[in-house]
Amino acid sequence: GAGVSQSPSNKVTEKGKDVELRCDPISGHTALYWYRQSLGQGLEFLIYFQGNSAPDKSGLPSDRFSAERTGGSVSTLTIQRTQQEDSAVYLCASSATNSPLHFGNGTRLTVT
Amino acid sequence: DQQVKQNSPSLSVQEGRISILNCDYTNSMFDYFLWYKKYPAEGPTFLISISSIKDKNEDGRFTVFLNKSAKHLSLHIVPSQPGDSAVYFCAAGPFYNDMRFGAGTRLTVKP
Repeated sequence: GAGVSQSPSNKVTEKGKDVELRCDPISGHTALYWYRQSLGQGLEFLIYFQGNSAPDKSGLPSDRFSAERTGGSVSTLTIQRTQQEDSAVYLCASSATNSPLHFGNGTRLTVT
Repeated sequence: DQQVKQNSPSLSVQEGRISILNCDYTNSMFDYFLWYKKYPAEGPTFLISISSIKDKNEDGRFTVFLNKSAKHLSLHIVPSQPGDSAVYFCAAGPFYNDMRFGAGTRLTVKP
């Protein structure tokens, strides 16, 4: 597949547990983004990776959220000690330089 | 801090008529404006864009208009088709890698 791939597509977890969400960007795209969409809300920026530069973490809502991008390709978003307000669709996107974002289908996270 | 606003959460249009989706932004430094379309259980897909040096960009049935003085852009779809039914997100920013998204407008095109 040539698109952005995210896994799992759905995740149900208990409050207080840690979760990891994975994103495989489009091959050759240097930029990778994480957004989330809560019910009835727009897309909320979380974090942005560009090449080997330090990531822009300005959108992470708390220190329970972290992300890494290994080898300039695959990225993992980790949420520690999940809370009910973390329930949302987490979207990953990648892009070439100065180009629109290409989004994956998202991971729907439900914290019970 | 909603720098991009889509004030209509939903819009219903008859097939064959024009759909007009609106978007307002607050930051005069924004130079790039995009529209994305999202079907249920899928990620948003890029639809059309415009930069601040233009006031109109057309791609088939889709046209985006930009009014920089009013900080307003709109997406026109004509003629509307049932397959256009989706959520449309407006995005704006100073660069492609620094975009702010609106909350979306759900378009329903009735046969």
